[in-house]
Amino acid sequence: SQKIEQNSEALNIQEGKTATLTCNYTNYSPAYLQWYRQDPGRGPVFLLLIRENEKEKRKERLKVTFDTTLKQSLFHITASQPADSATYLCALPASGGSYIPTFGRGTSLIVHP
Amino acid sequence: NAGVMQNPRHLVRRRGQEARLRCSPMKGHSHVYWYRQLPEEGLKFMVYLQKENIIDESGMPKERFSAEFPKEGPSILRIQQVVRGDSAAYFCASSPEQTGMGIQYFGAGTRLSVL
Repeated sequence: SQKIEQNSEALNIQEGKTATLTCNYTNYSPAYLQWYRQDPGRGPVFLLLIRENEKEKRKERLKVTFDTTLKQSLFHITASQPADSATYLCALPASGGSYIPTFGRGTSLIVHP
Repeated sequence: NAGVMQNPRHLVRRRGQEARLRCSPMKGHSHVYWYRQLPEEGLKFMVYLQKENIIDESGMPKERFSAEFPKEGPSILRIQQVVRGDSAAYFCASSPEQTGMGIQYFGAGTRLSVL
């Protein structure tokens, strides 16, 4: 099954800077990769999906890259705001052909005003 | 369009009691997933159901835990004879169909505390 690694240490940045979060996986290359946001006491909220044949995906201030050679996805938030503070989870199919995502533990982002 | 509804939001049980967690998927969604989340840990998949069928229960403990998604009504996650180790946040997610590339819509969760 897939193993997902996200930095367990919180990322602290200043408002206005770009936040970059990393998601590494160790086994087979997935057909897609997802990013979710989770606020304390809430369920995760889907943000972006990137397919294996896509190098980059953008949505407003969010950008996701997917490097199947490095087995890594980077999640960027440009012009970050304190409201972006949350835990960000990446998710991949549990196994080839599976529609059940396996989630990483997430990285906490704290944006300071 | 109401999102995924879970109730109760908080549930307190004493050891040995039963816990029943309910999940109503988003309108039009026929796939339901249950996850457990412990502090400082990721979401752990438990079970995947469609109406009246358990599709994948590979993440569910073999004993004391069961899940159903009847033709009518919400999906139920049932934990019998709860123990302190069952204390966690339980999340339900739904999706419209398998071709949605696994995008899941989550409820706010039920926080179970076992005394």
